[in-house]
Amino acid sequence: DAGVTQSPTHLIKTRGQQVTLRCSPISGHKSVSWYQQVLGQGPQFIFQYYEKEERGRGNFPDRFSARQFPNYSSELNVNALLLGDSALYLCASSLRGNPNEKLFFGSGTQLSVL
Amino acid sequence: SQQGEEDPQALSIQEGENATMNCSYKTSINNLQWYRQNSGRGLVHLILIRSNEREKHSGRLRVTLDTSKKSSSLLITASRAADTASYFCATDADNAGKSTFGDGTTLTVKP
Repeated sequence: DAGVTQSPTHLIKTRGQQVTLRCSPISGHKSVSWYQQVLGQGPQFIFQYYEKEERGRGNFPDRFSARQFPNYSSELNVNALLLGDSALYLCASSLRGNPNEKLFFGSGTQLSVL
Repeated sequence: SQQGEEDPQALSIQEGENATMNCSYKTSINNLQWYRQNSGRGLVHLILIRSNEREKHSGRLRVTLDTSKKSSSLLITASRAADTASYFCATDADNAGKSTFGDGTTLTVKP
């Protein structure tokens, strides 16, 4: 079975541009979460979606948005990119996003903003 | 700011030795999980310990949890070069999708 897949793996953008990152969860998983990981730090929670509804949002500006589709895949959008948005963006899925469930992570999208 | 803090930030040992990493957190939790990350890519789930558990084992891994001290430790026994990675603790106060991660311990195991 395929794990969590993310695309693209690498992306280079310039300041002010917009970017869309994509994630496909493990088959049967209905909860998708997005995390940002800056070099040398741990992942920081951005969004969680379950059954196409936003279940949680971390401390990120409105330039960050996301959505989940009927097939449970998800997109993360970042507008008006800043240099500080350069990071590894990780997608994780779980069955229902309930307490005590394991999170399964994709390999991430490395975003560089120049 | 991050909920969890790992200690030490970096650890270098010889193959065959044991490695111990510690994690402290600030608020009440449902559970605490440990993850491994190789070369800045995806995280791999290692072990989950619930708030009402004190110790858990999985292969060469042993995790303890002390909720009164808001701390956890991860012990890797008989380490191997392949254990070289960054290790993160993550706490779940609401649900797994909203986990709060520490900044990790970078473990280097020398052959």
